[in-house]
Amino acid sequence: AQSVTQLGSHVSVSEGALVLLRCNYSSSVPPYLFWYVQYPNQGLQLLLKYTTGATLVKGINGFEAEFKKSETSFHLTKPSAHMSDAAEYFCAVRPSGNTPLVFGKGTRLSVIA
Amino acid sequence: EPEVTQTPSHQVTQMGQEVILRCVPISNHLYFYWYRQILGQKVEFLVSFYNNEISEKSEIFDDQFSVERPDGSNFTLKIRSTKLEDSAMYFCASSERGDRAYEQYFGPGTRLTVT
Repeated sequence: AQSVTQLGSHVSVSEGALVLLRCNYSSSVPPYLFWYVQYPNQGLQLLLKYTTGATLVKGINGFEAEFKKSETSFHLTKPSAHMSDAAEYFCAVRPSGNTPLVFGKGTRLSVIA
Repeated sequence: EPEVTQTPSHQVTQMGQEVILRCVPISNHLYFYWYRQILGQKVEFLVSFYNNEISEKSEIFDDQFSVERPDGSNFTLKIRSTKLEDSAMYFCASSERGDRAYEQYFGPGTRLTVT
């Protein structure tokens, strides 16, 4: 069965510091990978996704993620954190075809001034 | 920009009562989904719906759950006899197509509290 592991339920960084949110997946087939963000009282918004091709994908708000097949990872990064980045971040995998999204438990990002 | 909407934002109900959670998907989307997140746990898939029938459901989606598209705009999740463990955030999502290449757009969620 497919699964997604997000290391760290809560990550705290200083404003301007590097953001690194970790995601590892297990999948028996090449997956599609996603990062979603949830701001307070809002729905899940797609940040970026990896489907095929270039393994480094860029998303909205300066975020990017790199698909590393050998490490089964899809870590999310942003060079410089902004206060507005404080939110819950979810990594998800969609193994094949019409299969539903499989989510990780989420990581709450706090940004300290 | 089109968005998925859900009502109510928060529902409190007593154990054993029926609840209906409502969603309005994006108008040209054909595939609809319900997910839920119990506090502190993962977002979990419940059910997908296409062409007026369930296309896939998870083990969680047992006989107490049902979904319906009663008209051209609403998509509902009914829980017939709520249990304490049904307390969760319920997310509705929609997409143009079912294939994984098509993004699922999520609503803001309904927080269901069963007392």
